[in-house]
Amino acid sequence: DTEVTQTPKHLVMGMTNKKSLKCEQHMGHRAMYWYKQKAKKPPELMFVYSYEKLSINESVPSRFSPECPNSSLLNLHLHALQPEDSALYLCASSQESRTGAGYTFGSGTRLTVV
Amino acid sequence: GESVGLHLPTLSVQEGDNSIINCAYSNSASDYFIWYKQESGKGPQFIIDIRSNMDKRQGQRVTVLLNKTVKHLSLQIAATQPGDSAVYFCAERTSGAGSYQLTFGKGTKLSVIP
Repeated sequence: DTEVTQTPKHLVMGMTNKKSLKCEQHMGHRAMYWYKQKAKKPPELMFVYSYEKLSINESVPSRFSPECPNSSLLNLHLHALQPEDSALYLCASSQESRTGAGYTFGSGTRLTVV
Repeated sequence: GESVGLHLPTLSVQEGDNSIINCAYSNSASDYFIWYKQESGKGPQFIIDIRSNMDKRQGQRVTVLLNKTVKHLSLQIAATQPGDSAVYFCAERTSGAGSYQLTFGKGTKLSVIP
């Protein structure tokens, strides 16, 4: 299995809702990432998990809460989001190898906040 | 020709011609540089990477050139095909806080004219 699987593919939520985005990989990668991508812009790093521990949080608002239950799963819990949080949320994983980049991205969750 | 729009530079090429997509990077400490292709509604797809101690690397129909003196990266696509139409991002990998992170450049939209 050489894929990163993200669910759901599309999500519409109200500003008072609580929802979660899910990401799964079975490549044995020990680093997992959340990126946010607005239309016509590059992906922007939100969080990095390395060996199931949060190692980088790029000053993301607390209404986004990541969780890494095990080495294959990564969640992003959403609460009280704003319309400007509407974007494509991408998950990625990598080997964190010193000999290669080896990142694999999922297809993303298209989030719309109404 | 190449044009810069409000958000995303666009490169239009005739099918069968060669394409050159350019990228300027910022961090001299980056150890890998990677090119990604992103089609509409999909996540970034790995094309080719190059380690910082190299200046050229070739793949199937693609070549990446790295000029560290001017912090410039380019992707050359030979015999461009309609299926190459997509947005292309360069990315640089840096290490910090015990893990690696990937930072994306602005992106270029490649349109192939049949």
